[in-house]
Amino acid sequence: EDKVVQSPLSLVVHEGDTVTLNCSYEVTNFRSLLWYKQEKKAPTFLFMLTSSGIEKKSGRLSSILDKKELFSILNITATQTGDSAVYLCAASNSNSGYALNFGKGTSLLVTP
Amino acid sequence: DAGVTQSPTHLIKTRGQQVTLRCSPKSGHDTVSWYQQALGQGPQFIFQYYEEEERQRGNFPDRFSGHQFPNYSSELNVNALLLGDSALYLCASRAGGNSYEQYFGPGTRLTVT
Repeated sequence: EDKVVQSPLSLVVHEGDTVTLNCSYEVTNFRSLLWYKQEKKAPTFLFMLTSSGIEKKSGRLSSILDKKELFSILNITATQTGDSAVYLCAASNSNSGYALNFGKGTSLLVTP
Repeated sequence: DAGVTQSPTHLIKTRGQQVTLRCSPKSGHDTVSWYQQALGQGPQFIFQYYEEEERQRGNFPDRFSGHQFPNYSSELNVNALLLGDSALYLCASRAGGNSYEQYFGPGTRLTVT
């Protein structure tokens, strides 16, 4: 059975800190890994990764995928209180169409 | 450009009743998926609709059914509601082709009492 595990489950940091969120996966016929930010209700799309070693970057957020070790990390530098949210990682496999298999999420709280 | 929209925002139902949730996909998107998110958990895939047919289904009982209309909007129906069906129901849309990027709506919070 496909599995996506995120760690840590929760994290509290001070504004300005750098954080690294982890996502490991065991997915048959892996296709892609996606990161979402969920503040209140709608998860908002951050990144989609399909190739190993290629960093995706958007402002202070970046992510990379390691298909050999089956994990991805999401980095947030110079954190701000607005980064407080649940960060979700999801994987897809080529057998399940475009269905996404989500982890439980990492709850990040950035304190002033 | 309107994103994914869902209605209603909140809903309270009694055990045993039936409920219908609605979703309109992002403009230009033709594929709609439904997810159930229990408190403190990640979203769980229910099913996906494309060209008005159910294409993929997750591990959910037949009490969960859906429909897609010619304008790509979709409905999720849940019959014989159980207390455990209380959750945030999220709709996600995807552009056609091989794109795996999915965009989520704000969800419907269903409470079953």
